[in-house]
Amino acid sequence: KQEVTQIPAALSVPEGENLVLNCSFTDSAIYNLQWFRQDPGKGLTSLLLIQSSQREQTSGRLNASLDKSSGRSTLYIAASQPGDSATYLCAVSDTSGTYKYIFGTGTRLKVLA
Amino acid sequence: DTAVSQTPKYLVTQMGNDKSIKCEQNLGHDTMYWYKQDSKKFLKIMFSYNNKELIINETVPNRFSPKSPDKAHLNLHINSLELGDSAVYFCASSQVSRGETQYFGPGTRLLVL
Repeated sequence: KQEVTQIPAALSVPEGENLVLNCSFTDSAIYNLQWFRQDPGKGLTSLLLIQSSQREQTSGRLNASLDKSSGRSTLYIAASQPGDSATYLCAVSDTSGTYKYIFGTGTRLKVLA
Repeated sequence: DTAVSQTPKYLVTQMGNDKSIKCEQNLGHDTMYWYKQDSKKFLKIMFSYNNKELIINETVPNRFSPKSPDKAHLNLHINSLELGDSAVYFCASSQVSRGETQYFGPGTRLLVL
């Protein structure tokens, strides 16, 4: 059974810092992996999607990497800003045929001005 | 234009009541989902429909019944509400059912008293 864990659970950093969020999954047979952002009281917004054959994806100040064999992904945020404060969730899609997403426990990020 | 919309946004009701949550997407997507986010912010898939056909049905009490009248709508009906049903319910959609980027609605906050 796939389990997705994110470390740390919460993170507080001063503005301008580069930071790394971690995601690990127990079953390496994944179809793809997505990173989402959730603002308080809001729905999820997809940030980056990495196919299982890819190693990384970049969008602006965000870079996500995937090491499928070791069951790990990282989300790198460069030059963090207060507007980056949110909960970040990673989710892996399985290869069972339903391609359902299993979500991680989330990292609550606070960037201090 | 809201891509994925849900009504109502808030729902407060008594135990034992029956309630429905509606979801609509105007993205032309083929697949729609219902997720439940519990008090610890853990997000879990409940159901998924592709072209009005049920493709994912997780271990959910049969008091929960999804209905998809057409590709753009996926409603969730809950019978005999229990205290443990209190959560935030998110609707989402994607172009296809193969683990593509999912677009989430704003959520429906259900409180059962």
